[in-house]
Amino acid sequence: SAVISQKPSRDICQRGTSLTIQCQVDSQVTMMFWYRQQPGQSLTLIATANQGSEATYESGFVIDKFPISRPNLTFSTLTVSNMSPEDSSIYLCSVRGGGETQYFGPGTRLLVL
Amino acid sequence: DAKTTQPTSMDCAEGRAANLPCNHSTISGNEYVYWYRQIHSQGPQYIIHGLKNNETNEMASLIITEDRKSSTLILPHATLRDTAVYYCIVGGHNTDKLIFGTGTRLQVFP
Repeated sequence: SAVISQKPSRDICQRGTSLTIQCQVDSQVTMMFWYRQQPGQSLTLIATANQGSEATYESGFVIDKFPISRPNLTFSTLTVSNMSPEDSSIYLCSVRGGGETQYFGPGTRLLVL
Repeated sequence: DAKTTQPTSMDCAEGRAANLPCNHSTISGNEYVYWYRQIHSQGPQYIIHGLKNNETNEMASLIITEDRKSSTLILPHATLRDTAVYYCIVGGHNTDKLIFGTGTRLQVFP
């Protein structure tokens, strides 16, 4: 199994500002994933982050808005840039563990005013 | 990736079996069926997965029809702590990208 922590757990931000979310895993993993869950909705994949290479973004998500860093095999950050109230969501990171299982962090709850 | 269809919500009495259906009529031969659940205010949790055979683990059983176009997740003795949104996801072996649908909101009542 993999234990994932995220910082911050929640934040309230002003529009136009940026927030960087950290994801730490207790073991080395090749791929890390970032998801967004808007209020009352299901999860949507934002991007896949490999160590040492550029993140791969899903349709509708761009690097300028959601830059991702992956400096090593246990850590990643997601920045939500130039925030608007529409960015209010839960942001989750996940990793694939052994076999077919994906493990998710507890999420970062973001409210943009 | 194949699309899945699940009922929006279901109720189940505590102690009874909860049977959650999922339709995946466009599943291809090498795609697996995965089940995750999300308890309120937590990240999703893996439950079980299967290809064509029925599977059982300490959490649940997965029954896949012979034509693989549908499956049922069974929680044999539901408890209040099983109240959650259950997601049925179809993807290839060693799939990395999980495409979440809308899921089934299961409410277990006393």
